[in-house]
Amino acid sequence: TQLLEQSPQFLSIQEGENLTVYCNSSSVFSSLQWYRQEPGEGPVLLVTVVTGGEVKKLKRLTFQFGDARKDSSLHITAAQPGDTGLYLCAGGVNDMRFGAGTRLTVKP
Amino acid sequence: NAGVMQNPRHLVRRRGQEARLRCSPMKGHSHVYWYRQLPEEGLKFMVYLQKENIIDESGMPKERFSAEFPKEGPSILRIQQVVRGDSAAYFCASSPLPGAENGYTFGSGTRLTVV
Repeated sequence: TQLLEQSPQFLSIQEGENLTVYCNSSSVFSSLQWYRQEPGEGPVLLVTVVTGGEVKKLKRLTFQFGDARKDSSLHITAAQPGDTGLYLCAGGVNDMRFGAGTRLTVKP
Repeated sequence: NAGVMQNPRHLVRRRGQEARLRCSPMKGHSHVYWYRQLPEEGLKFMVYLQKENIIDESGMPKERFSAEFPKEGPSILRIQQVVRGDSAAYFCASSPLPGAENGYTFGSGTRLTVV
């Protein structure tokens, strides 16, 4: 079973601050996905990273896939209250397994 | 272009009753996945289905739980003789192709409460 560990589990910051959350595994993944989930809703796909060392940017979000394809990070620049949510990383082959998530709160 | 539709959004069942959760995938998607999420936790994989076939049910309890995705109609997750521990949010996702690289589209979930 490929396990994904996410850290930190909880993160509370002020609007305008920068932050990084991590997704780590002892297994190699062919790809990793990042999702954001808001209360009462299903997860929404943010990005898929495929190539080791790949960096993808989505506005103020920067996603990086580790060279060995075992880990990934999500960096948010100048966080806003709208970024509040549960950030989940996921990976797998035929079926996707999720980490437990980082619960981010951005205070105005 | 409707997304993944799950119904009902909320379901209350007494212990011992049956719960039926429905999922209509996005148009053109023939791969369906069911996940369970407990409060303050991530999503736990339950089962992966294609039309009329169960591909991987390794995450589904052996007893009381079953899933189907018939040729016509939505995918159904059925829980027989529900117990309080079955209370959770159940999410369905779909994809147009097999494999996680394509990413999944999730529905809004069904919140099951067993009283």
